[in-house]
Amino acid sequence: EDQVTQSPEALRLQEGESSSLNCSYTVSGLRGLFWYRQDPGKGPEFLFTLYSAGEEKEKERLKATLTKKESFLHITAPKPEDSATYLCAVQANTDKLIFGTGTRLQVFP
Amino acid sequence: DGGITQSPKYLFRKEGQNVTLSCEQNLNHDAMYWYRQDPGQGLRLIYYSQIVNDFQKGDIAEGYSVSREKKESFPLTVTSAQKNPTAFYLCASSRDPVYEQYFGPGTRLTVT
Repeated sequence: EDQVTQSPEALRLQEGESSSLNCSYTVSGLRGLFWYRQDPGKGPEFLFTLYSAGEEKEKERLKATLTKKESFLHITAPKPEDSATYLCAVQANTDKLIFGTGTRLQVFP
Repeated sequence: DGGITQSPKYLFRKEGQNVTLSCEQNLNHDAMYWYRQDPGQGLRLIYYSQIVNDFQKGDIAEGYSVSREKKESFPLTVTSAQKNPTAFYLCASSRDPVYEQYFGPGTRLTVT
């Protein structure tokens, strides 16, 4: 069965304290892996797409990487405005996305 | 500005009533999706459509219905058959299923 697991469930960081969020997956044929940011009460905001192992994408303080079994979202020197829930989703050999349950990030000044 | 709009933001209904949630996009995307989000669970797919006048059931379609008469619009009806309809509903679109999906702001439905 296709599955996506995100860890940790919640993460509290001090401003400037870098860390990583993990998304591990077991799917039958990965077509793409997607990262989203979701603020409370709002729709997810698209961040990155990764298609093959070894691929990396960067945007401001965020960098996403992909291996054959997992993806990491690295947050460098986070700021309070980076506080949000980060969602990972994978697309296997179907037209549907499988979402993880997210990592809730809180960054304190 | 291109984007996805959902209305209303908040919706309250009595048990036993059908209710329709609106989703419109002006991104010229072919594919549209409806998800349900509950606390502690990942987004779950209700229905999706890859082309006008065609749609497929997702993982939790029971108690829901959709239509796709126009490329821009994909309304979702929550029927009285849906046993636990209170949730946050999200609409999304993509230019093709293999590409990223873009989400609307969501509608929070409360049924009492």
